[in-house]
Amino acid sequence: QVQLQQWGAGLLKPSETLSLTCAVYGGSFSGYYWSWIRQPPGKGLEWIGEINHSGSTNYNPSLKSRVTISVDTSKNQFSLKLSSVTAADTAVYYCARAFPGPRRYYYMDVWGKGTTVTVSS
Amino acid sequence: QSALTQPRSVSGSPGQSVTISCTGTSSDVGGYNYVSWYQQHPGKAPKLMIYDVSKRPSGVPDRFSGSKSGNTASLTISGLQAEDEADYYCCSYAGSYTFRVFGTGTKVTVL
Repeated sequence: QVQLQQWGAGLLKPSETLSLTCAVYGGSFSGYYWSWIRQPPGKGLEWIGEINHSGSTNYNPSLKSRVTISVDTSKNQFSLKLSSVTAADTAVYYCARAFPGPRRYYYMDVWGKGTTVTVSS
Repeated sequence: QSALTQPRSVSGSPGQSVTISCTGTSSDVGGYNYVSWYQQHPGKAPKLMIYDVSKRPSGVPDRFSGSKSGNTASLTISGLQAEDEADYYCCSYAGSYTFRVFGTGTKVTVL
């Protein structure tokens, strides 16, 4: 039973860099994409980006200039960095595993519990 | 890339059926059969309910079904139960540049 455990700083000041890490326990790290999704308070889900074990990435174009997703296969971990944060980046941030469907498109089927990140001066 | 459009809320009595629509464009929902649906209870992480438009992951009740026509995908919950009260989000592939886009979300209320 694969589980995702995520952690990182929960309170940031404007212009700082958000940094979160997600560890994968109980399952294979290869063969999947590893995703980050966020949800502002009272709002909907926004996909941030994803990475596979080889380091191949896909990013949301609206965040791409500020986002870096990296992977550490030796630790079965992947990380999110979001630079120059503002209050608009206040959200619950989720990590998730994306598995390949029959036609090789990946779907997010296992999720972390979420980390609340608040940006405030 | 704008979010896919969903109704803000739908409701039904126990045992009834409700359908949630997810409207996009030919660049996302209409262009690919890569639509998924997620259920989210308050304070919880989303749960995958449907993928590839109409496939159910193991463990998801067959009361949940998905379909697509043109630029609109739909999630139907048959035999509505109290535990189905939650927010539901669609998600679609949107091409190699945008890649993934979520819907605006629908709150399902069981009366």
